[in-house]
Amino acid sequence: GAGVSQSPRYKVAKRGQDVALRCDPISGHVSLFWYQQALGQGPEFLTYFQNEAQLDKSGLPSDRFFAERPEGSVSTLKIQRTQQEDSAVYLCASSLVLAGGRRTDTQYFGPGTRLTVL
Amino acid sequence: DAKTTQPNSMESNEEEPVHLPCNHSTISGTDYIHWYRQLPSQGPEYVIHGLTSNVNNRMASLAIAEDRKSSTLILHRATLRDAAVYYCILREPWGGSQGNLIFGKGTKLSVKP
Repeated sequence: GAGVSQSPRYKVAKRGQDVALRCDPISGHVSLFWYQQALGQGPEFLTYFQNEAQLDKSGLPSDRFFAERPEGSVSTLKIQRTQQEDSAVYLCASSLVLAGGRRTDTQYFGPGTRLTVL
Repeated sequence: DAKTTQPNSMESNEEEPVHLPCNHSTISGTDYIHWYRQLPSQGPEYVIHGLTSNVNNRMASLAIAEDRKSSTLILHRATLRDAAVYYCILREPWGGSQGNLIFGKGTKLSVKP
């Protein structure tokens, strides 16, 4: 079956522009995560959804970052007034089980969106 | 989730076994050991996980020390496609509201033909 897809794969934005990054999780996956990966670093957690509910947004670096998953499937990560330090790869992952469930669950990642802010 | 320590990089020759170490001296008795890898320009992918006993699957084997303070991911015959960053991650058995993975810097594996 189809895996996690993300679009666009590459995005170049001028400083100050707003961007929207899309994630299509695996059908039926309850949990959805967004991660940010700077060059040469491991991914870092941004936010988590359980169905349409955003249960944890502790990793969002500023109030310019906003995520939504209105119907419990597709999710959008929006960054307002982009800055150069926002340049990174943004990864989306989905999982079948609830976050409160057994931690042996596998997270399935999309290919990421590489954002470059000029 | 507890912290892990991995070498920054390792090299291997094609078709030879590779042993990727991970230290986790502060692991709790119920933490699972997970491994993910990230190929160039791709998102991370699950490799294997275990609790106490050694584990095998089609991708790799996981050897867990008796005291569980370290583990080793074993690729039996490295191929060029195995060149990736390998992450060792500890996870509590049951989650609260957070189920996210906590990545370190991982080990960058290079495979020479």
